[in-house]
Amino acid sequence: DTAVSQTPKYLVTQMGNDKSIKCEQNLGHDTMYWYKQDSKKFLKIMFSYNNKELIINETVPNRFSPKSPDKAHLNLHINSLELGDSAVYFCASSQDGVGLTFKNIQYFGAGTRLSVL
Amino acid sequence: TQLLEQSPQFLSIQEGENLTVYCNSSSVFSSLQWYRQEPGEGPVLLVTVVTGGEVKKLKRLTFQFGDARKDSSLHITAAQPGDTGLYLCAGASGGYQKVTFGTGTKLQVIP
Repeated sequence: DTAVSQTPKYLVTQMGNDKSIKCEQNLGHDTMYWYKQDSKKFLKIMFSYNNKELIINETVPNRFSPKSPDKAHLNLHINSLELGDSAVYFCASSQDGVGLTFKNIQYFGAGTRLSVL
Repeated sequence: TQLLEQSPQFLSIQEGENLTVYCNSSSVFSSLQWYRQEPGEGPVLLVTVVTGGEVKKLKRLTFQFGDARKDSSLHITAAQPGDTGLYLCAGASGGYQKVTFGTGTKLQVIP
């Protein structure tokens, strides 16, 4: 069983469209994250949720809206897609949200490659 | 904004060679991790270091956390083609222990 699964793996869409990416973790973790990896492979945190509560919200356009229906799921909805949104989006989860300890390992999904045309 | 600069950005070496990747910052981190990412996959954790000056070994990989907890290095001995991938360092700091990833080092080991 995949620990952190994201769907879809690939997403090709037109500028201006609205799209969603789904993420589910079966590890029983309390914290989930969304990261964006650009074409230069730079990985930057976007959001972090702990027990369905938003705890980190980086400088991300408000066209991006995360939603956590329960602590096993964290979805990402993007409105009015722009060319600059093209990137690979990674979902991750960890046992808790407190730092990078020996126990607080982040497990990443395989990524969703978004291409905006 | 905290920044973790990795060097080199790209590295292409022959199998059997040794290499060192550096992760530097002007900020202090409470802990630091190294990840390896293969094409089409998410990053996978290699090691966590939390004490300044700490050295950890994972088979042919040696990780060191700087004394001031601002920098780290990854040394690979006798590199193998299976070591090929993107290596990322990541540091945690601040009240919410926000994770900042490094700029990445793309390693290619040629058989």
